Amino acid sequence: DAGVIQSPRHEVTEMGQEVTLRCKPISGHDYLFWYRQTMMRGLELLIYFNNNVPIDDSGMPEDRFSAKMPNASFSTLKIQPSEPRDSAVYFCASSHGLVYNEQFFGPGTRLTVL
Amino acid sequence: KQEVTQIPAALSVPEGENLVLNCSFTDSAIYNLQWFRQDPGKGLTSLLLIQSSQREQTSGRLNASLDKSSGRSTLYIAASQPGDSATYLCAVKVGGTDKLIFGTGTRLQVFP
Repeated sequence: DAGVIQSPRHEVTEMGQEVTLRCKPISGHDYLFWYRQTMMRGLELLIYFNNNVPIDDSGMPEDRFSAKMPNASFSTLKIQPSEPRDSAVYFCASSHGLVYNEQFFGPGTRLTVL
Repeated sequence: KQEVTQIPAALSVPEGENLVLNCSFTDSAIYNLQWFRQDPGKGLTSLLLIQSSQREQTSGRLNASLDKSSGRSTLYIAASQPGDSATYLCAVKVGGTDKLIFGTGTRLQVFP
């Protein structure tokens, strides 16, 4: 298995631009998670999906952030408009089941907003 | 509110030493605890998962223990190697929520 796949690996954009991050979970996993990692706040859960349905988006910082999962093998996290404080590493993770099972992380997308 | 703390924040040891990384959590009502490794610029690699009913898990040179009542977990690394250099994160899955709550990590350097 290829593991969780994220693209792009690095993104540099200017303030105000739209940014779209992509994730392909491990085949057969029914849960998908989006996290953000910064030096100041560590790893934070933004949103997670079960069977393509958003379950908890309470970690999404504000309305500029949105996430979708149109099918079991693809999810996007969009920031519009982007701001310098959005600069972070964004991770996608997936798991089979929620409570008792391991989460497997992708390599992350390093976002820099100038 | 669940808080997860890892001590020490950084550790530097010579190759061959056995070492212990510590993780503590404030709410003992957890479903499981997971240890991860993160290499610079990379994602997280799951090392060990301990269910709340278990006391320890082992994988190769790694052994993780869990004491729910005291809110502690330790990750024991035997015969450390330079390739073990990375940041180690623990995370707990808390009852009543679906979130993994992460610690701030221990940055480990093993020098030859």
